[in-house]
Amino acid sequence: EAQVTQNPRYLITVTGKKLTVTCSQNMNHEYMSWYRQDPGLGLRQIYYSMNVEVTDKGDVPEGYKVSRKEKRNFPLILESPSPNQTSLYFCASSSGFDGYTFGSGTRLTVV
Amino acid sequence: AQRVTQPEKLLSVFKGAPVELKCNYSYSGSPELFWYVQYSRQRLQLLLRHISRESIKGFTADLNKGETSFHLKKPFAQEEDSAMYYCALSDRGSTLGRLYFGRGTQLTVWP
Repeated sequence: EAQVTQNPRYLITVTGKKLTVTCSQNMNHEYMSWYRQDPGLGLRQIYYSMNVEVTDKGDVPEGYKVSRKEKRNFPLILESPSPNQTSLYFCASSSGFDGYTFGSGTRLTVV
Repeated sequence: AQRVTQPEKLLSVFKGAPVELKCNYSYSGSPELFWYVQYSRQRLQLLLRHISRESIKGFTADLNKGETSFHLKKPFAQEEDSAMYYCALSDRGSTLGRLYFGRGTQLTVWP
């Protein structure tokens, strides 16, 4: 089944403790992206990648890092999480000719 | 800069009534427009893209370049249409990796 898989689905962590949210797609898509979803603000793009080793900042990249060493994986790294990064995160991928396919989301709480 | 505006945060209609979710965009290039739907606690799903001119679940959307709008319409709303709807814009030119979302409209269909 064609899908985008994110892990974990839920995560509670403490301020400053590095964490990684994994994202994997099995559709051989070139484009991958991370979004955060907050009430009243909709979805805002954090980072996106157009191909292996090609990444660029979205609208809200501060406090996040990404890497794209393989086509299928696009992890999101929070080196020092803070409470304002508490949010619902979505990974998505696209072939570039259709809209994005989204993962199930990761609900992150930073205390 | 690309901008997508959904003027209504909340929209309520009764079952069987027509529904229109508004989307306006601001973009100088050649945009591709999408509608995504997010049912409660689920991932975003692609509902429509303007170039395919499909009708999905009874919904249609027409791109009006003169008014820079891409409103989503359904003649007879159903209770199962209750969800969050996001309009999104992609540049088919140089930034294929970017998909810009509006802030969303929460549609509630009352029985």
